[in-house]
Amino acid sequence: DVKVTQSSRYLVKRTGEKVFLECVQDMDHENMFWYRQDPGLGLRLIYFSYDVKMKEKGDIPEGYSVSREKKERFSLILESASTNQTSMYLCASSLREVTGANVLTFGAGSRLTVL
Amino acid sequence: GQNIDQPTEMTATEGAIVQINCTYQTSGFNGLFWYQQHAGEAPTFLSYNVLDGLEEKGRFSSFLSRSKGYSYLLLKELQMKDSASYLCAAVDSNYQLIWGAGTKLIIKP
Repeated sequence: DVKVTQSSRYLVKRTGEKVFLECVQDMDHENMFWYRQDPGLGLRLIYFSYDVKMKEKGDIPEGYSVSREKKERFSLILESASTNQTSMYLCASSLREVTGANVLTFGAGSRLTVL
Repeated sequence: GQNIDQPTEMTATEGAIVQINCTYQTSGFNGLFWYQQHAGEAPTFLSYNVLDGLEEKGRFSSFLSRSKGYSYLLLKELQMKDSASYLCAAVDSNYQLIWGAGTKLIIKP
């Protein structure tokens, strides 16, 4: 019954390391998103993608990049991890609707600690 | 600017009723979502309101007043498993989601 899978639940990395967070969905959704979730703050959108090889910046893209080579897979990359990127990262997907708002299906999250 | 406000934490008793409020200010409005998130788990969809009024789904109901920029989630017959965070998110004119910080609901026996 798994729909959105994030490959790593917990990661500990050192400052300056390159970090890959992988997300796979099996619902044939067009849209995929990466959010970070921090205590006391609402979910903040990092990047999203409406199609293969397509990406759009969200509200906080600095320090991150993404890759979407296949429809089902959306990767978040931290080129050089910093301590302020310690957070919970949530991947989500949705159908592409012409009108209206889309229900998001989330993964369980990847908790990243940068030392 | 765009803003969503909801209480940080609420406590209620098993079997009782609780109402979680959410107020929003957005550039345009295309509806409001409620999601439930148990600790360490993925947020899951509860409701979506775009028209004024109350929508009921079993023990959970969601209300929207567009003129007041206000929504609430009503949970009846509370169960221990309802202990979770409840996330409110408004959809702006560009169909982007503006998220509240979430309300942690603690249910006591």
